[in-house]
Amino acid sequence: GDSVTQMEGPVTLSEEAFLTINCTYTATGYPSLFWYVQYPGEGLQLLLKATKADDKGSNKGFEATYRKETTSFHLEKGSVQVSDSAVYFCALRDAGKSTFGDGTTLTVKP
Amino acid sequence: DAMVIQNPRYQVTQFGKPVTLSCSQTLNHNVMYWYQQKSSQAPKLLFHYYDKDFNNEADTPDNFQSRRPNTSFCFLDIRSPGLGDAAMYLCATSPAGSNQPQHFGDGTRLSIL
Repeated sequence: GDSVTQMEGPVTLSEEAFLTINCTYTATGYPSLFWYVQYPGEGLQLLLKATKADDKGSNKGFEATYRKETTSFHLEKGSVQVSDSAVYFCALRDAGKSTFGDGTTLTVKP
Repeated sequence: DAMVIQNPRYQVTQFGKPVTLSCSQTLNHNVMYWYQQKSSQAPKLLFHYYDKDFNNEADTPDNFQSRRPNTSFCFLDIRSPGLGDAAMYLCATSPAGSNQPQHFGDGTRLSIL
């Protein structure tokens, strides 16, 4: 079956540091890929998405590129802020079924 | 703004006392989902509705039931909550397209006394 593997957390960074959260996937079909963000006490919010190979999703300074050859969808941001502290979930969606990674907790310190 | 709304945000119930969580949407999406999430782990799908068609996950306990009286509303009923059912319950929707993103509500945090 489909699966999503995220880098283990938690991740702690200083403000303005560069962020990478690794995500790799296995899928039998042609999935769409997503990053969701969850702030404390809230639901998951769609951060960005990519629907086919080589697509780049971007939002709020975050980027991720759908790499079919490496089955990866790594999340990056050039300069993190304290307000980016949250849990980040990588997910794929294939034939109407979603598969989530285990989440990576990011803490950004001033 | 179109959205997914869950009520209440926090629910406390007693061990074994039935509880109902509600979800409404203004997105007019065909599909509605209920997830259970513990301690910022990945959400675990309990069941979903495609229009009125109910789809239960194989490992969802019988203690969990759901109703969808119309397109806009969906309910999660926990018939006899146990301590292990304390969790965040997330409602989500998606359009009928198979690879469209899901839209989540803010969740209901359920505590069991």
